[in-house]
Amino acid sequence: GAVVSQHPSWVICKSGTSVKIECRSLDFQATTMFWYRQFPKQSLMLMATSNEGSKATYEQGVEKDKFLINHASLTLSTLTVTSAHPEDSSFYICSAPIGAGGYNEQFFGPGTRLTVL
Amino acid sequence: AQTVTQSQPEMSVQEAETVTLSCTYDTSENNYYLFWYKQPPSRQMILVIRQEAYKQQNATENRFSVNFQKAAKSFSLKISDSQLGDTAMYFCAFILNNAGNMLTFGGGTRLMVKP
Repeated sequence: GAVVSQHPSWVICKSGTSVKIECRSLDFQATTMFWYRQFPKQSLMLMATSNEGSKATYEQGVEKDKFLINHASLTLSTLTVTSAHPEDSSFYICSAPIGAGGYNEQFFGPGTRLTVL
Repeated sequence: AQTVTQSQPEMSVQEAETVTLSCTYDTSENNYYLFWYKQPPSRQMILVIRQEAYKQQNATENRFSVNFQKAAKSFSLKISDSQLGDTAMYFCAFILNNAGNMLTFGGGTRLMVKP
């Protein structure tokens, strides 16, 4: 199957700093990628849809200035958590579908654990 | 808007036994897909099984099978001959056809397989 990677897998940062998380489709092109947030023992919550070459679409309640998304190429989307605070500590997962129409199977990255001190 | 509900937060099963995880969903659409994803302790999401709503036949993948009841909007997962490696969080998910590939997830069921 297709592979989606995330980097880093685990990051610890100080409060007030910014952290960038990368999501790459390794063997396919993805015009769309999705970013999720997952708290311990909870489900995945969709944060935003990343669109190659255009602005991301954010879900209600997600601060677009806090969580900056850039989809600069067909294989890379980045999520930057700006001025991170302890409440931003979470597990962040990206996914990418192959194809653009109808139904297309999604492939998930392994996730990034963010800890803000 | 679509919703997916998993009413069993936690379940346990003895190794080699069979267990069924429940999932219900709500939609007014007719053309959609349903999935079960597994999230083991590594937290990597793994697709277990997929069901197309237009298909009446229930999907099966080795030890995993579903009971898809479209009228009742029910989509349960049966795991036969449970193995220790089946211990994981299981998420039921829904996606509309031609709707931008956006998945809607249920709250999850934590399954523990006991030796």
